[in-house]
Amino acid sequence: DTEVTQTPKHLVMGMTNKKSLKCEQHMGHRAMYWYKQKAKKPPELMFVYSYEKLSINESVPSRFSPECPNSSLLNLHLHALQPEDSALYLCASSQDWTTRNGEAFFGQGTRLTVV
Amino acid sequence: AQSVTQLGSHVSVSEGALVLLRCNYSSSVPPYLFWYVQYPNQGLQLLLKYTTGATLVKGINGFEAEFKKSETSFHLTKPSAHMSDAAEYFCAVTNTGGFKTIFGAGTRLFVKA
Repeated sequence: DTEVTQTPKHLVMGMTNKKSLKCEQHMGHRAMYWYKQKAKKPPELMFVYSYEKLSINESVPSRFSPECPNSSLLNLHLHALQPEDSALYLCASSQDWTTRNGEAFFGQGTRLTVV
Repeated sequence: AQSVTQLGSHVSVSEGALVLLRCNYSSSVPPYLFWYVQYPNQGLQLLLKYTTGATLVKGINGFEAEFKKSETSFHLTKPSAHMSDAAEYFCAVTNTGGFKTIFGAGTRLFVKA
């Protein structure tokens, strides 16, 4: 199994809503990532988890809250988002973030629209 | 700091023609380089990667790339374009710490019938 599965595929939420994005992988990878991708732009790193611990936060606003319940799951909790947060949110995993030759496997993404 | 520059935001080729997508990198350490493809409303799929060893790297779907240290380049090629190759292509490099994939701006490939 070389898949990273993200749910939901599409999400529309109001600015006062609370929602969560989910990501799952069963490749035994110990590093998991959240990326944000705006239209016609490359993905931008948001968070990195290594061995279920938050290792990197790329100065992401607190309205985005990541969680790693176990080595296979990664969540992104959303609260009080703004319309400019509308984007494709990509989850990725890699074997180990300390091994630079480990490529990242990406999920299909969640298309988020904030209204 | 590591970075990649993709030359040309859009490339258009005819079906059956050579595909050449250009990527130049900047890295203070030996780079690990990647090419990813993204189809509309999809995630990213790894085409190929260069870590060490052979400088000509073969990937999936008939793509290959050559690492040229003297030119700091990692251009992606395919001898004969197919309509299904139409997509966004990203060149990427991992940062020194290894935890971050740094993407180029992307090149949209159009394939004409």
